[in-house]
Amino acid sequence: GDSVTQMEGPVTLSEEAFLTINCTYTATGYPSLFWYVQYPGEGLQLLLKATKADDKGSNKGFEATYRKETTSFHLEKGSVQVSDSAVYFCALLTGTASKLTFGTGTRLQVTL
Amino acid sequence: EAEVAQSPRYKITEKSQAVAFWCDPISGHATLYWYRQILGQGPELLVQFQDESVVDDSQLPKDRFSAERLKGVDSTLKIQPAELGDSAMYLCASSLPSAPQYFGPGTRLTVL
Repeated sequence: GDSVTQMEGPVTLSEEAFLTINCTYTATGYPSLFWYVQYPGEGLQLLLKATKADDKGSNKGFEATYRKETTSFHLEKGSVQVSDSAVYFCALLTGTASKLTFGTGTRLQVTL
Repeated sequence: EAEVAQSPRYKITEKSQAVAFWCDPISGHATLYWYRQILGQGPELLVQFQDESVVDDSQLPKDRFSAERLKGVDSTLKIQPAELGDSAMYLCASSLPSAPQYFGPGTRLTVL
């Protein structure tokens, strides 16, 4: 079945550091890929998406490129801020049933 | 910007009591989802509606959980009786067909 694997957290960085959160997937067919962010006590917010190979999703300084050859969708940001502290979920969407498969989430903690 | 609405935001109940959660999706979104998110984990799909019809409820514990979307717009998720293990965040999401899902703020349930 479909699955998403994310790097273990928590990830602790100093403000202005470079961020990478790894995400790899297993899926039949050609999934769409997403990153969602969850701030403490809140629901999930769609951060960015990519629908086909080599697409780059970007939003709020975050980027991720859909790499079909490595089945990856790693999240990057050049300079993190304290306000980026949250849990980040990688997810894939397959099939006409619109079923999302989530990774387990990676907690990011940014300190001054 | 249109949002998914959920209420209540927080609910504390005693085990064996009944609880109900309400969700109002983004206008025009025919597909509605209920997820359960246990602390430290990714969301788990409980039930998916297309208009008023259930598309997938394979992970819904049907002995105690029920969900309805009578007019194909807003939806209610009920638990009766609640158990200690039901303590979690209950998230509602909606989408257009084969499109990203947008999540509400969630209902945090604590069962004592």
